[in-house]
Amino acid sequence: GEDVEQSLFLSVREGDSSVINCTYTDSSSTYLYWYKQEPGAGLQLLTYIFSNMDMKQDQRLTVLLNKKDKHLSLRIADTQTGDSAIYFCAESWGTGFQKLVFGTGTRLLVSP
Amino acid sequence: ETGVTQTPRHLVMGMTNKKSLKCEQHLGHNAMYWYKQSAKKPLELMFVYSLEERVENNSVPSRFSPECPNSSHLFLHLHTLQPEDSALYLCASSQVTADTQYFGPGTRLTVL
Repeated sequence: GEDVEQSLFLSVREGDSSVINCTYTDSSSTYLYWYKQEPGAGLQLLTYIFSNMDMKQDQRLTVLLNKKDKHLSLRIADTQTGDSAIYFCAESWGTGFQKLVFGTGTRLLVSP
Repeated sequence: ETGVTQTPRHLVMGMTNKKSLKCEQHLGHNAMYWYKQSAKKPLELMFVYSLEERVENNSVPSRFSPECPNSSHLFLHLHTLQPEDSALYLCASSQVTADTQYFGPGTRLTVL
């Protein structure tokens, strides 16, 4: 079945760039997503990329998609302490309604 | 009130209790979802309602019973739960034909 994998933990210093990586298995995915979850909160949609794109930039966020390797990454420029959270990669598939398969999440810790 | 709201935010119940979780979306969407988030596991899709009709039941035990009385409201009725059902229960909504799900803040459920 579908599987989405992420590394569990990433630690960076404030002001550095963060790169969170994700691999997925379903080559027929239509969209790939990045969600952010802060402690005690639900999932906040950060950005998404259509499967026929290679890159998408949105302010400090850059998403890179390598379809051949089924690899997705999220780069956060000038990482701030407020970026500390768990980041989930997800792929969508299905017809009639959207079905998301999530990774286990990467905990990003930003130290001052 | 905007977005997706969930009540209660926290719930503690015994194994013999009956309780209900409520989700309401103010986005004009026509699909709603229940997810379960347990520690160290990926988000698990439980149920999907599309146009008020249940279209997905992801092998969820019968002690969880969803209800979707209209396109804006979704309930999850709970009875005779087990301690391993303790988790964060997240509701989401989307347009059936659109690409993005929006999540509520979740209900943190503890079963004693």
